[in-house]
Amino acid sequence: DTGVSQDPRHKITKRGQNVTFRCDPISEHNRLYWYRQTLGQGPEFLTYFQNEAQLEKSRLLSDRFSAERPKGSFSTLEIQRTEQGDSAMYLCASSLSARTYGYTFGSGTRLTVV
Amino acid sequence: AQKVTQAQTEISVVEKEDVTLDCVYETRDTTYYLFWYKQPPSGELVFLIRRNSFDEQNEISGRYSWNFQKSTSSFNFTITASQVVDSAVYFCALSEAEVSQGAQKLVFGQGTRLTINP
Repeated sequence: DTGVSQDPRHKITKRGQNVTFRCDPISEHNRLYWYRQTLGQGPEFLTYFQNEAQLEKSRLLSDRFSAERPKGSFSTLEIQRTEQGDSAMYLCASSLSARTYGYTFGSGTRLTVV
Repeated sequence: AQKVTQAQTEISVVEKEDVTLDCVYETRDTTYYLFWYKQPPSGELVFLIRRNSFDEQNEISGRYSWNFQKSTSSFNFTITASQVVDSAVYFCALSEAEVSQGAQKLVFGQGTRLTINP
């Protein structure tokens, strides 16, 4: 068990470009979450998967954002046509539905849109 | 709607002092969970404690203690004999009770940046 892994750790992109982040959860965890954290704020919920099904999306997740978890294992979060307001830390977390003693978070991907 | 307020944006103390981080929450649910997380400079959120709404017993873990008071909707966190390694941003969070398909998403406060000076 190596914890929740996120890749890349840092991403700098030009406005208008597309970016994709990857999250590898703890292998036996069936729930996977994406959160966004802007500077000086707490994380905000974006979306949630149970196995491969995306069961909830926040209104923060605009049409430019899409998340997938194709085989119920790793997940990707894609942002199309990035804007400066997308600059943030994107955090992934996973948990076991039957024993939620708090999620296990990854170290995050810091996105800077220039 | 659920809301968590951490009124202290930054706290700075000298090593070995005791420090209390305040957390006040709002929810209409009768069953819910409260959490504290630590975020060191490396960025990952480290789970510290989960408390359910039916358990108001205070908890102590080493130098850490938590005081849950439903009457005031507060879940405060105290570090006794603080150390430099305690320096981090601390978040209080709230979630609905676990349901089979529900997201059980966390609602976080804004965080308190704690600096322990040697």
